[in-house]
Amino acid sequence: DIQMTQSPSSLSASIGDRVTITCRAGHFISNYLAWYQQKPGKVPKVLIYAASTLQSGVPSRFSGSGSGTDFTLTISSLQPEDVATYYCQKYSSAPFTFGPGTKVEIQ
Amino acid sequence: EVQLVQSGAEVKKPGESLRISCQGSGYSFPDYRITWVRQMPGKGLEWMGKIDPSDSYTNYSPSFQGHVTISADKSISTAYLQWSSLKASDTAMYYCARHDYGDYWGQGTLVTVSS
Repeated sequence: DIQMTQSPSSLSASIGDRVTITCRAGHFISNYLAWYQQKPGKVPKVLIYAASTLQSGVPSRFSGSGSGTDFTLTISSLQPEDVATYYCQKYSSAPFTFGPGTKVEIQ
Repeated sequence: EVQLVQSGAEVKKPGESLRISCQGSGYSFPDYRITWVRQMPGKGLEWMGKIDPSDSYTNYSPSFQGHVTISADKSISTAYLQWSSLKASDTAMYYCARHDYGDYWGQGTLVTVSS
């Protein structure tokens, strides 16, 4: 199975900061990569699919990049409502493994 | 409006069987795979498996293969996740989601297994 890693596991940043989360796949997955946001006690929500396509309704401060094995989720200007855990997921072939998550907090 | 509505919370004893459901509406149910995801208390998301409702073809994570069964009835736009013998370690929130990447999610079903 292809393992997914994320870094950092947690971060604390100030309002307005640019935040970057990285995700690495153990093997080539092309652009079959999604990013999710899960706020405490809430259902996960897809932010990005196909590595860089913004899901409808998601604020434009979120962006995704990468292909192959290395991917990035960027929040261009961190907002209070972005406090959440962020997960990457590969869906190139089953199993569609999730990364371990990155917890984002406000400093 | 696309919706996935899951069955309600369950409290079971170890060794008991259980089937939870996920009903889709607002779209053509056979056209999108349904995925099941586990989230244990305070932990991350775990992909369990998926089903293609058009032909009931399934894929499972090796971590869940043999312990759960995923099925679907396209005539009533419903997917299922079932256990034949629950363990205390099955205590978790279970989500269904539409598509290989979850563009829509159910509200979650909390399963508690305790003696």
